[in-house]
Amino acid sequence: AQKVTQAQTEISVVEKEDVTLDCVYETRDTTYYLFWYKQPPSGELVFLIRRNSFDEQNEISGRYSWNFQKSTSSFNFTITASQVVDSAVYFCALRNGDTGFQKLVFGTGTRLLVSP
Amino acid sequence: SAVISQKPSRDICQRGTSLTIQCQVDSQVTMMFWYRQQPGQSLTLIATANQGSEATYESGFVIDKFPISRPNLTFSTLTVSNMSPEDSSIYLCSVAIQGALGYTFGSGTRLTVV
Repeated sequence: AQKVTQAQTEISVVEKEDVTLDCVYETRDTTYYLFWYKQPPSGELVFLIRRNSFDEQNEISGRYSWNFQKSTSSFNFTITASQVVDSAVYFCALRNGDTGFQKLVFGTGTRLLVSP
Repeated sequence: SAVISQKPSRDICQRGTSLTIQCQVDSQVTMMFWYRQQPGQSLTLIATANQGSEATYESGFVIDKFPISRPNLTFSTLTVSNMSPEDSSIYLCSVAIQGALGYTFGSGTRLTVV
């Protein structure tokens, strides 16, 4: 069975603070993909990153960074020097399988509120 | 990545009626996914739609309530039938494009049933 847990329901920070969003996943597959999506108040889902199960290399993109640790089944997302525009709901998602286009299983999301 | 046009963007409907949501993709895709996002909740997959075959529904969702059409490789519709206030949600379609990193989502349909 696949499961994604985002234990943090809501996080509030002040602008310029660093913030880490946690994601823990469960899967029996050896090949899988992990995703992060951003959902701003407008409602659309914005793709941020995909990480393959066989690639544990961490990634940095501007103020965003991701830490993938298979040993703890975690794929955490850090925003450095947060900005008001980062306010959104962030979803972690899991896709199993190495063939075809399988469905995404989403976590419950973490609402991030960045205050000026 | 693909561009998805989803219509309508929002609607307010009377209970007992039906609403059909359309998704048009700017490229051919094998599979399209329909999700529901209830207020303040995560996304839950309703069904997967392959062109030329019956949609595959997830547990808890049935074809009579959420009929799906997939007439070609760029278009799909989801109908929410015999609506009740509990159907008030955001409905999103999604596709995966070969070679793309992420799944692309439509802008969503905000449905309110009164």
